Amino acid sequence: AQKITQTQPGMFVQEKEAVTLDCTYDTSDPSYGLFWYKQPSSGEMIFLIYQGSYDQQNATEGRYSLNFQKARKSANLVISASQLGDSAMYFCAMRGILTGANSKLTFGKGITLSVRP
Amino acid sequence: GAVVSQHPSWVICKSGTSVKIECRSLDFQATTMFWYRQFPKQSLMLMATSNEGSKATYEQGVEKDKFLINHASLTLSTLTVTSAHPEDSSFYICSARPRTGDTRNQPQHFGDGTRLSIL
Repeated sequence: AQKITQTQPGMFVQEKEAVTLDCTYDTSDPSYGLFWYKQPSSGEMIFLIYQGSYDQQNATEGRYSLNFQKARKSANLVISASQLGDSAMYFCAMRGILTGANSKLTFGKGITLSVRP
Repeated sequence: GAVVSQHPSWVICKSGTSVKIECRSLDFQATTMFWYRQFPKQSLMLMATSNEGSKATYEQGVEKDKFLINHASLTLSTLTVTSAHPEDSSFYICSARPRTGDTRNQPQHFGDGTRLSIL
């Protein structure tokens, strides 16, 4: 079984500053992948970044980076130089890698980020 | 990048109507597609996993006779909400994963969702 925990209440950040969105997880899978998605108010789910459990380096994609601490089972998303368009709901998700193509994504309950001008 | 098209974006209809939602992978083949339901300010709830050419696998508590899923080709899956009632009003979103040789780190790509309102 897999579980994703996102417990932060709504987050606020000043434009151009960095913000960290927390995510902790639990799984019995020896190999897994961690994903972050952004969902603006219009509803679409936008893939941001991926981290494999055996990746040696933390993932980075433009202004997004993942602070992966395997021993602590945490995969926090860091957004640098926040922009007004970053205001959205953010979901952390994971999937077991060895369980095949049908393996399901398990989502956290999400964090709402608001960027202030 | 991989694109998933979902249609329609909005549906408003009377109670008792059946509503069909289409999910297409536009530039890749998807053996597996996923259907989710989402209530406002909440997370995505997986309803079913749709496999091309076979029956869908439904999550516990999801009525298969209410939510009919068909995955007739590698690029199209449909969700039909049969005899819809106001409690079926929700945001429905589909997702597909590219059918490539190494699927380990492939993200699921999502459609833009369908807002269903039953009057």
